[in-house]
Parts: sequence; C-alpha cells; structure tokens
Amino acid sequence: EDQVTQSPEALRLQEGESSSLNCSYTVSGLRGLFWYRQDPGKGPEFLFTLYSAGEEKEKERLKATLTKKESFLHITAPKPEDSATYLCAVQKGAGNNRKLIWGLGTSLAVNP
Amino acid sequence: NAGVTQTPKFRVLKTGQSMTLLCAQDMNHEYMYWYRQDPGMGLRLIHYSVGEGTTAKGEVPDGYNVSRLKKQNFLLGLESAAPSQTSVYFCASSTWGELFFGSGTQLSVL
Repeated sequence: EDQVTQSPEALRLQEGESSSLNCSYTVSGLRGLFWYRQDPGKGPEFLFTLYSAGEEKEKERLKATLTKKESFLHITAPKPEDSATYLCAVQKGAGNNRKLIWGLGTSLAVNP
Repeated sequence: NAGVTQTPKFRVLKTGQSMTLLCAQDMNHEYMYWYRQDPGMGLRLIHYSVGEGTTAKGEVPDGYNVSRLKKQNFLLGLESAAPSQTSVYFCASSTWGELFFGSGTQLSVL
C-alpha cells in the first residue's frame, strides 16, 4: 500500500538549534516528492520538488534531500518565523493519472 | 497577483442545508482540486478536474458534487450537509508540477 510517513509529529527547537524533519515513503513509481509549509489558518505553500535520489535543493535556512526511501528537510539555525507545519507529498503517475499521497505533517515550533 | 481565491472563508450550516464553495484561479492552470483537511487525517482529495468541463472523484467524494464550467473556476457543492462534513476545505490548482493552494474555507455543520 502506498504510504507517506512524516516524523516527528511535533518538534520544538530553540532559535539557532538545527535539526531535520523526515518523510519516509513506500510508493511504487515515484515521479516526484514535494515539500510544503503550512501556517495556521492558511493553505499549504510550496517549498521544493525533488525528482530523483541524490537530489538536493536549498532555500534560505532550508535544505531538502532525497533517497530511494525517504526525504529530509534540514533546518539550519532556525528562527521563530520558521514555525509552521511542514507537509510532504509523493507523486505517482503523471499527467491526468497523477496521484499525490500526503503525509500528516510535522509541526515545528521555534522558540526565541 | 491573486493566485487561488476561495469564498467564503467561514461558514456555519445546519444539518441538511446546502451550500456551494467557489474557487477561482488566475494562473491559467488546467488542473484543479478540492481537498479537505482534518486533524489526524491530513489532506484528503475530494474531487478534481483535469480541464474545463471535466471532473473526477478523489478519495472521499461521497456527499459532494463539483462543476468546472469555466477553466478558472471550480465549484464544490454540498447538497445536504452533515456534521461529518465539518472541516477545512482547500482548493488548489496546478499545471504538471506543484500545487498552488487557496487560503481555505472553514465549514462547521451543526
């Protein structure tokens, strides 16, 4: 069964304390892995797409990596404004047959 | 640049009432989606559309209907609301890549 699991469910960091969020998946025929950020009361906001194992992408304090079984979202020296829920989604199929399998998210709180 | 706009933002219904949620996108995207998000359940796809005049069922379509008469609009209807439909509803649009989400509609069914 296709499944996407994110861990931990919740994470509390001190400002400047680096850490990583995990997204593990059992999806056959991965066509892409997406990371989103969701602030309270808002819709998810796109961060990164990764397509193949070994790929890495960076944006400010965030770096996403991908292996054949999981993806990590590394947060370096986080700030309070990085507090949000981070969602991972895996795509299988393409075009009109595309399907996204979503994880439940990791709720991150960064204390000043 | 508005992106994806959802109306209304909040709504309270009584059991059995009907309503329509409107989604509009100005990015000329072919694909549009309706999701619901519930605590502990994550994002679940209700219905989606791969182009103007098309609709298809997602994971949890029961109790909902949709229409896409114009490319930029995707409507989600509840014919007879039930308390189990209390949720936050998100519309999204895309080309072949990432989804762009609206800000959501918080719906309570009493």
